[in-house]
Amino acid sequence: ELKVEQNPLFLSMQEGKNYTIYCNYSTTSDRLYWYRQDPGKSLESLFVLLSNGAVKQEGRLMASLDTKARLSTLHITAAVHDLSATYFCAVDRGYNNNDMRFGAGTRLTVKP
Amino acid sequence: DVKVTQSSRYLVKRTGEKVFLECVQDMDHENMFWYRQDPGLGLRLIYFSYDVKMKEKGDIPEGYSVSREKKERFSLILESASTNQTSMYLCASSLQLAGYTFGSGTRLTVV
Repeated sequence: ELKVEQNPLFLSMQEGKNYTIYCNYSTTSDRLYWYRQDPGKSLESLFVLLSNGAVKQEGRLMASLDTKARLSTLHITAAVHDLSATYFCAVDRGYNNNDMRFGAGTRLTVKP
Repeated sequence: DVKVTQSSRYLVKRTGEKVFLECVQDMDHENMFWYRQDPGLGLRLIYFSYDVKMKEKGDIPEGYSVSREKKERFSLILESASTNQTSMYLCASSLQLAGYTFGSGTRLTVV
């Protein structure tokens, strides 16, 4: 059974600081996804990582995937208030149906 | 942009009622999914479908069924609603190896 663990679950940061969110998963997969959810809203897709060593960047967010370690990271550089949201990682089981298992989410709060 | 539309934003139903949650996508995606989201538990997969009339159980299918008669529509059915099915229900669709596009969600309260 595929399990996906994120940490931390809650993260409070000062603006301008850097931090990393970790996503570990329990079985072999080379397909990992990051999503963002704003309060009261649905999820939107941020990054799609489809191979070992994949790195994607968008603004102050950078995601990477190490399939051998079964680990993905979401790095935040020089945080700003607009990044406050809940971030989810999700792992595709790899059975060609694209069904994913999600982590519990990391609630990020960026304070001035 | 792909759009995934869930028919209701908020629903209140009584215990024992049969409840239908509808989801429609407009970009010819093969895959469609129903998740429920609960605080501290993240998203849990209820059912998914990779083709018309095809369905697969997710991790928590008990008390639910689904229907996919047309490619664009995927319905979630609560056969006899119970209070422990009070939750946010999220529908999503995707192509292979792509991120999901989610609907706006249906917050269901069973009283």
